[in-house]
Amino acid sequence: RKEVEQDPGPFNVPEGATVAFNCTYSNSASQSFFWYRQDCRKEPKLLMSVYSSGNEDGRFTAQLNRASQYISLLIRDSKLSDSATYLCVVNKATDSWGKLQFGAGTQVVVTP
Amino acid sequence: DVKVTQSSRYLVKRTGEKVFLECVQDMDHENMFWYRQDPGLGLRLIYFSYDVKMKEKGDIPEGYSVSREKKERFSLILESASTNQTSMYLCASNPRIATGTEAKNIQYFGAGTRLSVL
Repeated sequence: RKEVEQDPGPFNVPEGATVAFNCTYSNSASQSFFWYRQDCRKEPKLLMSVYSSGNEDGRFTAQLNRASQYISLLIRDSKLSDSATYLCVVNKATDSWGKLQFGAGTQVVVTP
Repeated sequence: DVKVTQSSRYLVKRTGEKVFLECVQDMDHENMFWYRQDPGLGLRLIYFSYDVKMKEKGDIPEGYSVSREKKERFSLILESASTNQTSMYLCASNPRIATGTEAKNIQYFGAGTRLSVL
């Protein structure tokens, strides 16, 4: 089983609509969680950290469910510029150096 | 702003060549990483360095070596390039984290080097 699993998509979303997707992680001892965004042929960039109580950053809302070991990302009022691959990232719980484990990404395509 | 610079955006090499990929960061970060990214597989860690001259194997170190002679520079070396090493290579860095601050364990990436081995 992969340590971090994501639905690869694509999620085709009309402009202005809401899209949400999850990511599951295998190690219950993981402590830090992130969503990164990666545009086509570009490097990953941090979108937001995910905190235990859930957090929001503008149109983006991230949630953590420790009991079921998944994190989610919700995008409201989707813009064409939100088209990207969203990477779920979790720390390697057994590692003291802070190494991260990356999911393979969920592709989101926002259409006019 | 953190800046992580990779020396080349695109490289084309022949099988058997020795290949050097260079990465420089300007934020005095202790930790530096080399990943490769392939479709459907996500980012896989090749090597990691937590200090000058210190290195640790990642998940897929075979066929690669690294060098960290200065804090700001981390080099990935393909001793004898093979076609299955055709990939996108990404360098990243972050500061050493203190226990209890895992939420700050953010990695910053370079723009990537797309390597083709023919």
